[in-house]
Amino acid sequence: DSGVTQTPKHLITATGQRVTLRCSPRSGDLSVYWYQQSLDQGLQFLIQYYNGEERAKGNILERFSAQQFPDLHSELNLSSLELGDSALYFCASSVDPSGGAREQFFGPGTRLTVL
Amino acid sequence: KNQVEQSPQSLIILEGKNCTLQCNYTVSPFSNLRWYKQDTGRGPVSLTIMTFSENTKSNGRYTATLDADTKQSSLHITASQLSDSASYICVVSALNAGGTSYGKLTFGQGTILTVHP
Repeated sequence: DSGVTQTPKHLITATGQRVTLRCSPRSGDLSVYWYQQSLDQGLQFLIQYYNGEERAKGNILERFSAQQFPDLHSELNLSSLELGDSALYFCASSVDPSGGAREQFFGPGTRLTVL
Repeated sequence: KNQVEQSPQSLIILEGKNCTLQCNYTVSPFSNLRWYKQDTGRGPVSLTIMTFSENTKSNGRYTATLDADTKQSSLHITASQLSDSASYICVVSALNAGGTSYGKLTFGQGTILTVHP
């Protein structure tokens, strides 16, 4: 158990819909990272927040957005869902704001299926 | 373009044997390189993290090496166990203009290791 929690574990929805994925970082970690893992693309970095502020953006689509709240939990919002958005979405946390050589702890993931 | 390439794509070995996984990268400027182990359907778990100045790092039966000159890394697994069956992912972090490595992560496609009894 990494100490990072993600809900829900599974999500099944239809194309065009909007969903929200939630992540609670490890106690004491201020940085939260979101990743997408699909079968054909592997792991891809989406976005990073540190203490409520966006720090870095990766391959995140405009239909996706995220935020980190004062209690440090984070939400990833996916809208106008397409079949290709079906994937595992992971959240990770670390104590390091710079994404430097500090360990990132991954949550168990949310499996999103878009039908 | 920053890239991370891993080989082999998949590997089957017998329990108790050693194996070595390779990672070549073109990421620049280099910040650090990580190896993760990912069991099917679960989140990745960090094995090692190496910065530019480190060329070897061990974590139990896992030993990672880094040659920053040739931009190559390897992960050596000693005395493999059935529980080592997983995907092993190499991730390289680049520095941005500010000298930090916020989010500048490039992932390899992973090597799928299967250990048979």
